[in-house]
Amino acid sequence: NAGVTQTPKFQVLKTGQSMTLQCAQDMNHNSMYWYRQDPGMGLRLIYYSASEGTTDKGEVPNGYNVSRLNKREFSLRLESAAPSQTSVYFCASSLQGTNTGELFFGEGSRLTVL
Amino acid sequence: RKEVEQDPGPFNVPEGATVAFNCTYSNSASQSFFWYRQDCRKEPKLLMSVYSSGNEDGRFTAQLNRASQYISLLIRDSKLSDSATYLCVVRGPATGRRALTFGSGTRLQVQP
Repeated sequence: NAGVTQTPKFQVLKTGQSMTLQCAQDMNHNSMYWYRQDPGMGLRLIYYSASEGTTDKGEVPNGYNVSRLNKREFSLRLESAAPSQTSVYFCASSLQGTNTGELFFGEGSRLTVL
Repeated sequence: RKEVEQDPGPFNVPEGATVAFNCTYSNSASQSFFWYRQDCRKEPKLLMSVYSSGNEDGRFTAQLNRASQYISLLIRDSKLSDSATYLCVVRGPATGRRALTFGSGTRLQVQP
């Protein structure tokens, strides 16, 4: 009963390096999201995918790209990491948009950019 | 001004106490409201929705005041296991992205 699985759980990068955070869900959900969480800031939406084949920018998309590879998988890519991208990243999914308000989150990926 | 504002706390209360958190939101056209719970270094999980008429789930009561644009969460008979951060969440208006906007959370520490 995996739910939402994110990898890696921890990563340290140097400024300018690139990396991809992977996310997969096994609940047959249509919508998927990437959030970042910083102290005192709450969760902020980076990108989301309302359904397979679509992606849209959220509140803080700059410096990130996403790919909805198929219905199960939604990846987040940092092309050139910056210290300001040090954060905890959460992937989430929902059956259909935000109607019910219930998002299912992965355990998070802690990224440090030096 | 933040879209969703919460007192960060921490609220330190003894077991058995009643504690209440408030949350204010800035967009009067917001449609739906929720409380999430996040344990330390864990992912957030939906605790309950907030309905206009108020709603209760066991020891938890959520209320909405649209006129004053605030949401509240009341926890009765606090347990040690209630220690967590409580996130106020607002769903955007129908004309927008309808994204969920999360507050930065209120931390509760229940002490024996």
